[in-house]
Amino acid sequence: GENVEQHPSTLSVQEGDSAVIKCTYSDSASNYFPWYKQELGKRPQLIIDIRSNVGEKKDQRIAVTLNKTAKHFSLHITETQPEDSAVYFCAAHSGYSTLTFGKGTMLLVSP
Amino acid sequence: DVKVTQSSRYLVKRTGEKVFLECVQDMDHENMFWYRQDPGLGLRLIYFSYDVKMKEKGDIPEGYSVSREKKERFSLILESASTNQTSMYLCASSFGGGGENTEAFFGQGTRLTVV
Repeated sequence: GENVEQHPSTLSVQEGDSAVIKCTYSDSASNYFPWYKQELGKRPQLIIDIRSNVGEKKDQRIAVTLNKTAKHFSLHITETQPEDSAVYFCAAHSGYSTLTFGKGTMLLVSP
Repeated sequence: DVKVTQSSRYLVKRTGEKVFLECVQDMDHENMFWYRQDPGLGLRLIYFSYDVKMKEKGDIPEGYSVSREKKERFSLILESASTNQTSMYLCASSFGGGGENTEAFFGQGTRLTVV
């Protein structure tokens, strides 16, 4: 089955800095790569996703890049704000419509 | 607005009890999932269903079973609860038509403690 590795497990930045979270996947047939944000005590919510026919996608301060050859994809957050503090999960589609998640990155943005 | 609702936010059960976790979605989604979330381990798939009465094992199905008698409802069953099943359980659903993978919507989670 699919295996998703996510790094780093924790990331501390100063407000205004950029943050980058990286993921690798194992199944070359995977074609959908979402990113979820989970604030403390809340449910995971989709913040951005990318499909395998696209190399990059941007939505305001967040962007995702995909390198199919290397089987890795990354989340980029620019001009970080304290409200960006949360746990971020990457995921890759694997079989049917299931998602395999990475172990998560706790992002802490200090004012 | 998609709503995925889990029947309990917090649950405390005794070792050996049979436990039912219920999940209901209101968007006519074909796919439904049960994940467990543990610190440092992320979200691990227990079971999923892509249609009524259909079920498929995920990565960690041991000690669990599921039931999907109606499209909107997906139940997770712990046949004989054990302390190592103490965890946060998250239900999710997604649209399954058209062959294209789509966003999964999560419930609010059930924090289960087995004592």
